[in-house]
Amino acid sequence: AQSVSQHNHHVILSEAASLELGCNYSYGGTVNLFWYVQYPGQHLQLLLKYFSGDPLVKGIKGFEAEFIKSKFSFNLRKPSVQWSDTAEYFCAVRRMNRDDKIIFGKGTRLHILP
Amino acid sequence: GAVVSQHPSWVICKSGTSVKIECRSLDFQATTMFWYRQFPKQSLMLMATSNEGSKATYEQGVEKDKFLINHASLTLSTLTVTSAHPEDSSFYICSAGGGGLNTEAFFGQGTRLTVV
Repeated sequence: AQSVSQHNHHVILSEAASLELGCNYSYGGTVNLFWYVQYPGQHLQLLLKYFSGDPLVKGIKGFEAEFIKSKFSFNLRKPSVQWSDTAEYFCAVRRMNRDDKIIFGKGTRLHILP
Repeated sequence: GAVVSQHPSWVICKSGTSVKIECRSLDFQATTMFWYRQFPKQSLMLMATSNEGSKATYEQGVEKDKFLINHASLTLSTLTVTSAHPEDSSFYICSAGGGGLNTEAFFGQGTRLTVV
């Protein structure tokens, strides 16, 4: 069963548009949540992470994500995207007390039009 | 953040030969490392968990005799693709750290393997 679902496989936006990428996970226990970005030809970089505390987390490059426990969601947002945000974005979940491994969603390819 | 280095970045090998990929944590010790495989335009699929000083734990469907993992020190894990075939061509990525609650995983730059 798919543990991490990213609903949008390919998103195309114009510069300055607002962005929201969906991520849902299927696990009822404690989780750590991550968003990673992979720019063309580069390795994965951490955008932001949620471990505990304030469910609204802010990451690098103006990205933020909100953990909504009741919805098992951790959506990524950015109010105004830039051409340089063109990349692939991966949501990832660590399911604690199960296997501690980090499982990735299928990724969302974001294309920003200049 | 911490640095994880993979070597080589890319490799081409003949069918039937073996290829070794190294994953090093440069500025921290990692008792646990993870090996992922990424197919074109797809997500990272966890292959195995590499544990320092003990046997690796493989995910279901991953052939442990084909993908040999050795984690002999706290800073180095190796993945050897044995008797490689064209279908093994893929992007292999390792990560270090992230083996417990509230820890972050750091990723290597990946190794693109092409088997001809």
